[in-house]
Amino acid sequence: NAGVTQTPKFRVLKTGQSMTLLCAQDMNHEYMYWYRQDPGMGLRLIHYSVGEGTTAKGEVPDGYNVSRLKKQNFLLGLESAAPSQTSVYFCASSTQGSRLDEQYFGPGTRLTVT
Amino acid sequence: ILNVEQSPQSLHVQEGDSTNFTCSFPSSNFYALHWYRWETAKSPEALFVMTLNGDEKKKGRISATLNTKEGYSYLYIKGSQPEDSATYLCAFKNTGNQFYFGTGTSLTVIP
Repeated sequence: NAGVTQTPKFRVLKTGQSMTLLCAQDMNHEYMYWYRQDPGMGLRLIHYSVGEGTTAKGEVPDGYNVSRLKKQNFLLGLESAAPSQTSVYFCASSTQGSRLDEQYFGPGTRLTVT
Repeated sequence: ILNVEQSPQSLHVQEGDSTNFTCSFPSSNFYALHWYRWETAKSPEALFVMTLNGDEKKKGRISATLNTKEGYSYLYIKGSQPEDSATYLCAFKNTGNQFYFGTGTSLTVIP
């Protein structure tokens, strides 16, 4: 049981390049989330999904796109990376959206955009 | 912008001391309040999920209380141990199912 995994763990991009971060969970969770974590700031929600085929914007969605083609995978895309997107990205999942559901986090992806 | 504030930002205590930290959040559109423990080089792990005003949760030496009317939650650690050293995050979940995290309280327990 791997829980929540993220690929890759580290990446360096040049401004303008594109990339996709993959989040996978093996817990059959409905909800999945992408956050970014920056120094001095709390985790901020980028996008989330309430089920296969659905996505919704979070607090800081600009510059990112997401897709949830399979229930177990949630992809975060950067079409044209900018230095402001240098951050640590965390994926999380939860069973449903009920009050008592806790989130399970992946190990994070450290992205540097030069 | 929805503000979730945690205080203090960091804390150093001696082994055996008891300590507490605060999470402040909006009192409107409340759905749940989560506490997470985040050790260095690991992922955040859920400690407590609280939903009702007056909720109290306990796990070993760690406990938490919730006041939704005034918008705060306290996390208490009794008899701190070095293994309690971590960052403690709170997250406010609103009725729109979105989470808003505080910046965390970094706890260091000195042996």
